[in-house]
Amino acid sequence: LAKTTQPISMDSYEGQEVNITCSHNNIATNDYITWYQQFPSQGPRFIIQGYKTKVTNEVASLFIPADRKSSTLSLPRVSLSDTAVYYCLVGDSVTGGFKTIFGAGTRLFVKA
Amino acid sequence: GAVVSQHPSRVICKSGTSVKIECRSLDFQATTMFWYRQFPKQSLMLMATSNEGSKATYEQGVEKDKFLINHASLTLSTLTVTSAHPEDSSFYICSAPGVNEQFFGPGTRLTVL
Repeated sequence: LAKTTQPISMDSYEGQEVNITCSHNNIATNDYITWYQQFPSQGPRFIIQGYKTKVTNEVASLFIPADRKSSTLSLPRVSLSDTAVYYCLVGDSVTGGFKTIFGAGTRLFVKA
Repeated sequence: GAVVSQHPSRVICKSGTSVKIECRSLDFQATTMFWYRQFPKQSLMLMATSNEGSKATYEQGVEKDKFLINHASLTLSTLTVTSAHPEDSSFYICSAPGVNEQFFGPGTRLTVL
């Protein structure tokens, strides 16, 4: 499983766009990039997943360059409730029992 | 999305006792489930893979005799912490894979006195 590297923490203010970059130099051809969000004392929650280029959903965008060695999670106009830990995971298809290895994650703190 | 539940949400027990934590996939079947442990301010650590109808596979360093896993049906996996000690106090989380993502349970806070 490819190892991921993210900033340990980030601070932002309400209404700003937040970009969290994840490095995954050893990503394999079959690997997808998935981001999860975790609030204190809760299980992680899926945010977005992509393979290449750009993916957008109702909560975030994921930018993946052509070499796929990194990815950037973009959170538009964050609010206080976006304060959480964000994990970038890289791995093979989730079907059939995809083993998920978590890195350290990025602790995002949104200030008023 | 799919829902994974855990029971209990929190448990306090005395040192030396055993504690069972249940993980259920409520609206889908899961032949595989995963168990994680998370200490305060740390990331999730994968403990083991629970396989329906066969033995669980444990990650390196995880004692299989201490953390008993039983995947009794396609919707239920249980983790039993045997002879719990204060150092086993942690947040235990299970997950089950869906088509494109892992669905995580809400977690169980275990406190061993």
